[in-house]
Amino acid sequence: DTGVSQDPRHKITKRGQNVTFRCDPISEHNRLYWYRQTLGQGPEFLTYFQNEAQLEKSRLLSDRFSAERPKGSFSTLEIQRTEQGDSAMYLCASSLAGSAQETQYFGPGTRLLVL
Amino acid sequence: QQPVQSPQAVILREGEDAVINCSSSKALYSVHWYRQKHGEAPVFLMILLKGGEQKGHEKISASFNEKKQQSSLYLTASQLSYSGTYFCGTEPEMTSGTYKYIFGTGTRLKVLA
Repeated sequence: DTGVSQDPRHKITKRGQNVTFRCDPISEHNRLYWYRQTLGQGPEFLTYFQNEAQLEKSRLLSDRFSAERPKGSFSTLEIQRTEQGDSAMYLCASSLAGSAQETQYFGPGTRLLVL
Repeated sequence: QQPVQSPQAVILREGEDAVINCSSSKALYSVHWYRQKHGEAPVFLMILLKGGEQKGHEKISASFNEKKQQSSLYLTASQLSYSGTYFCGTEPEMTSGTYKYIFGTGTRLKVLA
């Protein structure tokens, strides 16, 4: 257990439905990242926050995806009008920016299956 | 631009050694190594910063050759628990203000009894 939690751990939804995932980072960490991972591939960067500010969003991320970190603590990732291609593991990670050896600690992930 | 790892897959017997390489096309500031077991999240192993230092963690160590833009992970006297997929995560030296942390292609390692 790295101290990063994600909810839910599994989500099955029908195509066209909206889904929302939550990530609770390690409390003192000011950076929070979202990644997507498909079978056999490495994690693919989606977006990241420093405190409550969303600093970057991958160009691979369509407008159907949105993320928030309203109070600089937990974060949510919403996918609207889900498509079968959205099926993947969604990983959250957190880190402490400015530390000598900034390391990302991953949560257990949310596995999404779109039918 | 994704760092390339080699080999793609390796099978070992318990007690054998293995080396996993991670090569980038960009000058690197840092390399992180992770191990991921099937269905689980990546777990951080170690980080190497620019400067070519070698680090160790029990029977797992790593080196970073910044001139070659390459890092190697050394697994000695492998144990069954070492099985999983190993990823390097690289941070380029020059980021130009944009997020450039990229994971490598991955190496699947299986240790047999």
